[in-house]
Amino acid sequence: GENVEQHPSTLSVQEGDSAVIKCTYSDSASNYFPWYKQELGKRPQLIIDIRSNVGEKKDQRIAVTLNKTAKHFSLHITETQPEDSAVYFCAARISYDKVIFGPGTSLSVIP
Amino acid sequence: DTAVSQTPKYLVTQMGNDKSIKCEQNLGHDTMYWYKQDSKKFLKIMFSYNNKELIINETVPNRFSPKSPDKAHLNLHINSLELGDSAVYFCASSQFENEQFFGPGTRLTVL
Repeated sequence: GENVEQHPSTLSVQEGDSAVIKCTYSDSASNYFPWYKQELGKRPQLIIDIRSNVGEKKDQRIAVTLNKTAKHFSLHITETQPEDSAVYFCAARISYDKVIFGPGTSLSVIP
Repeated sequence: DTAVSQTPKYLVTQMGNDKSIKCEQNLGHDTMYWYKQDSKKFLKIMFSYNNKELIINETVPNRFSPKSPDKAHLNLHINSLELGDSAVYFCASSQFENEQFFGPGTRLTVL
């Protein structure tokens, strides 16, 4: 069935270090891969996304890579700051109207 | 201006009651969704509506019924509430195969 796995479930890093979150998806028809950040008590908000015809995308301290052959995609955050602490969700869009989310990664950045 | 809004923000009710959550988007999007986020933070898609037509109906109890009076609104009605229905419910919208915009969430507590 359609599934998105995400690892690790929790991640603690020192301020200034890098954080990497990895996801895998099962449906080869997936063509759009967004990443959402959810702060405590808030709504999920898009931080970066990538489409299947692109291998890498970067926006300041955040980058995402996609390996369609292996059905892997990853989020990289460099020079982490305390305000990066949140739950991060990867997702895969399977069709026009269906998006499957990973289980989330709780990131803690220690000052 | 709020892009996706939900009411109420908090809902506390007794088991067996019937309740509704309202959602409105002013983005002109053609697809709207309802997600349930449980205590473990997992985001599970419940329904999506495209141009007032139900596209997905995941394996949710038929006590849950989405109602869309028009393209900008997707309400969620829940009958005979149970303890296990306690969660945060998020409405979202999107256009074509682009990012989803989430509402602020409704925290439902069933006593």
